[in-house]
Amino acid sequence: DVKVTQSSRYLVKRTGEKVFLECVQDMDHENMFWYRQDPGLGLRLIYFSYDVKMKEKGDIPEGYSVSREKKERFSLILESASTNQTSMYLCASSGGVYTEAFFGQGTRLTVV
Amino acid sequence: AQKVTQAQTEISVVEKEDVTLDCVYETRDTTYYLFWYKQPPSGELVFLIRRNSFDEQNEISGRYSWNFQKSTSSFNFTITASQVVDSAVYFCALSEANAGGTSYGKLTFGQGTILTVHP
Repeated sequence: DVKVTQSSRYLVKRTGEKVFLECVQDMDHENMFWYRQDPGLGLRLIYFSYDVKMKEKGDIPEGYSVSREKKERFSLILESASTNQTSMYLCASSGGVYTEAFFGQGTRLTVV
Repeated sequence: AQKVTQAQTEISVVEKEDVTLDCVYETRDTTYYLFWYKQPPSGELVFLIRRNSFDEQNEISGRYSWNFQKSTSSFNFTITASQVVDSAVYFCALSEANAGGTSYGKLTFGQGTILTVHP
């Protein structure tokens, strides 16, 4: 069974903290993605990666960075968390043959 | 730029009713992929269907069916005889193809439609 696992379901952080959201996939997929989900806006792409140590900005990269040191792991970093980054964060991966993306269970982040 | 519009924010039906979720897309690509995902209360998006831009055949899978019409840039989803377990948020998404004709998996999503099926 294919699996994308996000390290936390719920997180509460303070304004100004550095926040790490971790994502691991066990499907040997080349492509990994971080999306943000907000009511009425659907999912918006923050960053994606096509290969180890490679990253590309998505539609809303401001205030975020990413790291992909190993093929199976893709981390999203909030350098200095702000209240407008309170949201649901979803990680996904996709491979060459199966073009659909597989999603993790999501991390609901609250910044206070 | 690509865009996906799901005009229906929320739909409420009674069990056993048929319901259609609308999806309209915009893209300049000639090769693209369309998807539907279901997000139950647990939060994880579940893949339902993929359709490429060259395949306009409609598809049926059990109580689910999809109608792809390139002429109107629409990819609508119908649930026949709805059930309470169908209650979820449904997303339509569009993916651009790379030079090889396969999708990176980079998806542009619609706003989502919240479907509530009452007993």
